[in-house]
Amino acid sequence: EAGVAQSPRYKIIEKRQSVAFWCNPISGHATLYWYQQILGQGPKLLIQFQNNGVVDDSQLPKDRFSAERLKGVDSTLKIQPAKLEDSAVYLCASSFGSNYEQYFGPGTRLTVT
Amino acid sequence: AQSVSQHNHHVILSEAASLELGCNYSYGGTVNLFWYVQYPGQHLQLLLKYFSGDPLVKGIKGFEAEFIKSKFSFNLRKPSVQWSDTAEYFCAVIPNAGNNRKLIWGLGTSLAVNP
Repeated sequence: EAGVAQSPRYKIIEKRQSVAFWCNPISGHATLYWYQQILGQGPKLLIQFQNNGVVDDSQLPKDRFSAERLKGVDSTLKIQPAKLEDSAVYLCASSFGSNYEQYFGPGTRLTVT
Repeated sequence: AQSVSQHNHHVILSEAASLELGCNYSYGGTVNLFWYVQYPGQHLQLLLKYFSGDPLVKGIKGFEAEFIKSKFSFNLRKPSVQWSDTAEYFCAVIPNAGNNRKLIWGLGTSLAVNP
């Protein structure tokens, strides 16, 4: 079974630039999550999708972050414009349903200079 | 507010030592419980989970965890650690109530095993 795919793996941008991350979940997983993980901390949920609908985006900084999952499969997360404090690893995860274990992708390490 | 606390932020052990990482949660209802592990340079992966039944659950690589409902705890154990167990360990909980069941994470415990 293929795992959660993410790209790119690494990205370096200057502040005020924009960046986009892509995620393809495990086939058949209805729930998709985007997390932000800062070094030494646990993952922080940014947004949760159930199929193509948003279930929870309460911690998404909506003035600069956006995410979509138009066809209920893969998803993109965008930051525009980026700030220095956005430097982190962005994790995508998927699960069969919101009550089940989540499977994580390798993450995208973003450095904002 | 619901929360998960991991007792130790950093643990250093020698090979063959026994390991116990503490995890407590604050929620009065039923929960699903997880331990995730993140090896250096790798992605988060599930170590073990508890949904119901036998409160002593076995995971991969010789790990086990015991759910003690009266103590709101789900401690992770391994009788004899190896250098390859060096990693970050996260406890996480999903409360079994409401429509939006969000995974609540602990801050993680960094384990270093010296050869």
